Amino acid sequence: DIQMTQSPSSLSASVGDRVTITCRASQGIRNDLGWFQQKPGKAPKRLIYAASSLQSGVPSRFSGSGSGTEFTLTISSLQPEDFATYYCLQHNSFPWTFGQGTKVEIK
Amino acid sequence: QVQLVESGGGVVQPGRSLRLSCVASGFTFSSHGMHWVRQAPGKGLEWVAVIWYDGSNKYYADSVKGRFTISRDNSNDTLYLQMDSLRAEDTAVYYCARETPRGVDYWGQGTLVTVSS
Repeated sequence: DIQMTQSPSSLSASVGDRVTITCRASQGIRNDLGWFQQKPGKAPKRLIYAASSLQSGVPSRFSGSGSGTEFTLTISSLQPEDFATYYCLQHNSFPWTFGQGTKVEIK
Repeated sequence: QVQLVESGGGVVQPGRSLRLSCVASGFTFSSHGMHWVRQAPGKGLEWVAVIWYDGSNKYYADSVKGRFTISRDNSNDTLYLQMDSLRAEDTAVYYCARETPRGVDYWGQGTLVTVSS
């Protein structure tokens, strides 16, 4: 099984800050990775697909990069509505696996 | 617009069974693979199972293999998850999600399963 190691597990940031979240795969997964945002009591929402493509309707302050084993989600200027938990998901091979999540909190 | 609506959750005793449903609308259901993903209270997301668009292939997480069965009815745009021999650790919100060539995009709102005596 492919392990996804996501870091940090939580972070505190202020509105306007640049935030970076990383996922590392235990083996190469090409660009078969998505990033999801989840708010309390809600279903996850996809932000990024194919590691770096922005989902339609998602603000351009969100971006993704990486390929192979190292992936990054960046929020260029954190907004109040961005405080949430973020997950990466690899869909290169079954079983699909998620990162452990990163909770972004208000500083 | 794409909609996925889960139902069938509830409180069930350990060892008993439950069947979840996910009704799809707004897209051609029979053209998409479908997944179940779950989330235990206060925990992260866990992939559970997938079924091919035509039902020809199915894969499961080790944690549910042999106890859960994924199936679909393309004539009624409905996905199912039959859960047998339920355990306390199966307590979670269960989401269905639509597959595309680039992973999963749309998710349902989830249905809560609580396994407790």
